Amino acid sequence: GAVVSQHPSRVICKSGTSVKIECRSLDFQATTMFWYRQFPKKSLMLMATSNEGSKATYEQGVEKDKFLINHASLTLSTLTVTSAHPEDSSFYICSASGQGADSLNSLHFGNGTRLTVT
Amino acid sequence: DAKTTQPPSMDCAEGRAANLPCNHSTISGNEYVYWYRQIHSQGPQYIIHGLKNNETNEMASLIITEDRKSSTLILPHATLRDTAVYYCIVRVLAGNNRKLIWGLGTSLAVNP
Repeated sequence: GAVVSQHPSRVICKSGTSVKIECRSLDFQATTMFWYRQFPKKSLMLMATSNEGSKATYEQGVEKDKFLINHASLTLSTLTVTSAHPEDSSFYICSASGQGADSLNSLHFGNGTRLTVT
Repeated sequence: DAKTTQPPSMDCAEGRAANLPCNHSTISGNEYVYWYRQIHSQGPQYIIHGLKNNETNEMASLIITEDRKSSTLILPHATLRDTAVYYCIVRVLAGNNRKLIWGLGTSLAVNP
């Protein structure tokens, strides 16, 4: 089946630094990618939606200058957490939707990135 | 946007059927019910979806009531590896994208 690879799976960084998370669709073209964050024992919260070649659409309350999203190709989207602070520590998950897909079971998820900011 | 409500937690004995309920009383006629599960520290995994007919696949069965206001996910023979948080969600179409509204799900513990 379709696979979404997310890297790194775990990252620890110092406060004030930036961290880039990659999301790749391995065997299909992802026209749309979604980025979520999840706090412990909480549900997934959508941060932004990106379509290949266009600017991402951010959810209310998500700072676009802090969470930079690039979706430059049909197989790669990146999320950069800029000037990270301890409150940015969370589990970040990407998902990708295939081209021409109508049924939502074509929405595939990465295995997430555990970000810890010290 | 249709919302869903699920019990926060359930227990099930290994080898028995796990029946996970979900209420979606405000679901509209063209919205599908989807089930995903999330094993600890992993991304969500698709299980099954349906509109109004009951559905079955290799993982589970989905029973949707005739009025579509509720549904039940059935894992026929639960194993320890089925311990996870199970999310019942409805599809929301937003522009050209598809947004999923995630609730808190049901934390299923399968016990030996």
